[in-house]
Amino acid sequence: NAGVTQTPKFQVLKTGQSMTLQCAQDMNHEYMSWYRQDPGMGLRLIHYSVGAGITDQGEVPNGYNVSRSTTEDFPLRLLSAAPSQTSVYFCASSYSGSPTDTQYFGPGTRLTVL
Amino acid sequence: RKEVEQDPGPFNVPEGATVAFNCTYSNSASQSFFWYRQDCRKEPKLLMSVYSSGNEDGRFTAQLNRASQYISLLIRDSKLSDSATYLCVRGSNYQLIWGAGTKLIIKP
Repeated sequence: NAGVTQTPKFQVLKTGQSMTLQCAQDMNHEYMSWYRQDPGMGLRLIHYSVGAGITDQGEVPNGYNVSRSTTEDFPLRLLSAAPSQTSVYFCASSYSGSPTDTQYFGPGTRLTVL
Repeated sequence: RKEVEQDPGPFNVPEGATVAFNCTYSNSASQSFFWYRQDCRKEPKLLMSVYSSGNEDGRFTAQLNRASQYISLLIRDSKLSDSATYLCVRGSNYQLIWGAGTKLIIKP
């Protein structure tokens, strides 16, 4: 049982490049989400999904796309990277998305956009 | 005003001391609250949920004051391993709103 896995751990992009951050969970959780964390700030929700085929926007969705074709995977796509997207990205999952569910986090992806 | 506010610290505390910090929130309809711990920009890990009646887990006590809209975390007999950033979180529907965290440094 690997929990929540994220790849890559580190990534450097040039402005304008696109890429996909991968997230997978093996706990059969319905709810998955993506956060970014910037220095001195709390985690901010980018997008979330309450089940396969269902996604919704969080607090800071601009510049990011998501899809949820399977229960296990929830990739985050950066369409055209900008320096403002330099951040640490965390993927999380929980059983149903209820606030009382325990959130399980991946180890994070540190992204630098030059 | 931020939805969840915390004193960023750092709180420098000698080992064995008791330390407490608060977190204020602005949405009176908030349903649930949590304290998470985060080490050196690693992933956050749930420390404890916060209930209206207050709850205790070993050396840690969390309390919720809905009238004044704050939650608190008390750590007794602090250990070097308690050094971390403590994140206050409010839960509502399918979203969690995070504070920026309070940094705690326990000194020998």
